[in-house]
Amino acid sequence: DTGVSQNPRHKITKRGQNVTFRCDPISEHNRLYWYRQTLGQGPEFLTYFQNEAQLEKSRLLSDRFSAERPKGSFSTLEIQRTEQGDSAMYLCASSYPANEKLFFGSGTQLSVL
Amino acid sequence: GNSVTQMEGPVTLSEEAFLTINCTYTATGYPSLFWYVQYPGEGLQLLLKATKADDKGSNKGFEATYRKETTSFHLEKGSVQVSDSAVYFCALSATGNQFYFGTGTSLTVIP
Repeated sequence: DTGVSQNPRHKITKRGQNVTFRCDPISEHNRLYWYRQTLGQGPEFLTYFQNEAQLEKSRLLSDRFSAERPKGSFSTLEIQRTEQGDSAMYLCASSYPANEKLFFGSGTQLSVL
Repeated sequence: GNSVTQMEGPVTLSEEAFLTINCTYTATGYPSLFWYVQYPGEGLQLLLKATKADDKGSNKGFEATYRKETTSFHLEKGSVQVSDSAVYFCALSATGNQFYFGTGTSLTVIP
């Protein structure tokens, strides 16, 4: 068990550029979550997958955000036409469905200049 | 809707002091309640949980009791250590699909 892995750890981009983050969950976990966290706030739910199916997406999530989990293993989160307000820590977590225990990665810190 | 309200920090305590971090919640149905902890430079990790009213979650000397009548899940520890310095997040899950987190409480324990 190597834990949840996220890459890159840091990303600096210019406004208007597209960025993509990757998350590798714990191998036997079939649920995968994306959260966003800004300074002084708790994690905010973005979306989650069970296997390759995206089952829920936050109503607050802009259409510029898209996530995939093509083979039910790793997942990618893409942000198109980034804005300064997208600057945040993007967290990935995985779990067993019946367990309710989330295992978090260390996150990807995005800075949009 | 579902939400969690935590006491604001930061909290600074001397070693061996008693710790309480308040957490109240609003939820539809009967949520499960959690405390997560984030040590410096690390990801969030589950500290303890309770799945029904009057349950007590405990781990590493920390305890929290699920109080339905007061919609609370306060975190307590009788004697804190320097190694407990971290940010603590209260969270709930009403459906098992979405988790709602509080804003976090930063704890610093000084020797």
